[in-house]
Amino acid sequence: DVKVTQSSRYLVKRTGEKVFLECVQDMDHENMFWYRQDPGLGLRLIYFSYDVKMKEKGDIPEGYSVSREKKERFSLILESASTNQTSMYLCASSFLLAGRETQYFGPGTRLLVL
Amino acid sequence: GENVEQHPSTLSVQEGDSAVIKCTYSDSASNYFPWYKQELGKRPQLIIDIRSNVGEKKDQRIAVTLNKTAKHFSLHITETQPEDSAVYFCAASTGNQFYFGTGTSLTVIP
Repeated sequence: DVKVTQSSRYLVKRTGEKVFLECVQDMDHENMFWYRQDPGLGLRLIYFSYDVKMKEKGDIPEGYSVSREKKERFSLILESASTNQTSMYLCASSFLLAGRETQYFGPGTRLLVL
Repeated sequence: GENVEQHPSTLSVQEGDSAVIKCTYSDSASNYFPWYKQELGKRPQLIIDIRSNVGEKKDQRIAVTLNKTAKHFSLHITETQPEDSAVYFCAASTGNQFYFGTGTSLTVIP
């Protein structure tokens, strides 16, 4: 069974704080993704990575950065949290190969920025 | 880039009736179309998927159809049950990047 875990289920941070969200997968997947989920907007891709130290911007990368130092771990960083970054953050992972690209999601981190 | 639209945003059906959710996409290069179910407070889980070389796929009460010419695909749930109540997301992929619809909140009324 694919297991994707996220470091926190709930986080409360103050405006301007630096926030780290961590995601770990145990299936040796090459691809890892960070999404944010907001009501009425669905899942929007922030960043993804297809290999260690590789990253690609998604649709809404502004205000975020990522780090992939090890294959199993993908971190999302909010350099200076703002209230409009209050959201549910979902991590996902998948194989790189066509035909095995199904994404598996973590449980999500609900972030509140005050 | 790809643009995926999903309708309706909310759907209520009586238990036992069928539910249909429709998605359209814009990029003709998209070749993989998964559907995810997200129950309240839980992560999205893949329930069915279809590839562009297939027109229809069925798994028990769930089926997905794909019309490549019209660039739309649909999820069909028959004999709905209360446990089918959830938010459903469609997605389209051209490779490794996925584009999601905005979700459909399905309520099955007992």
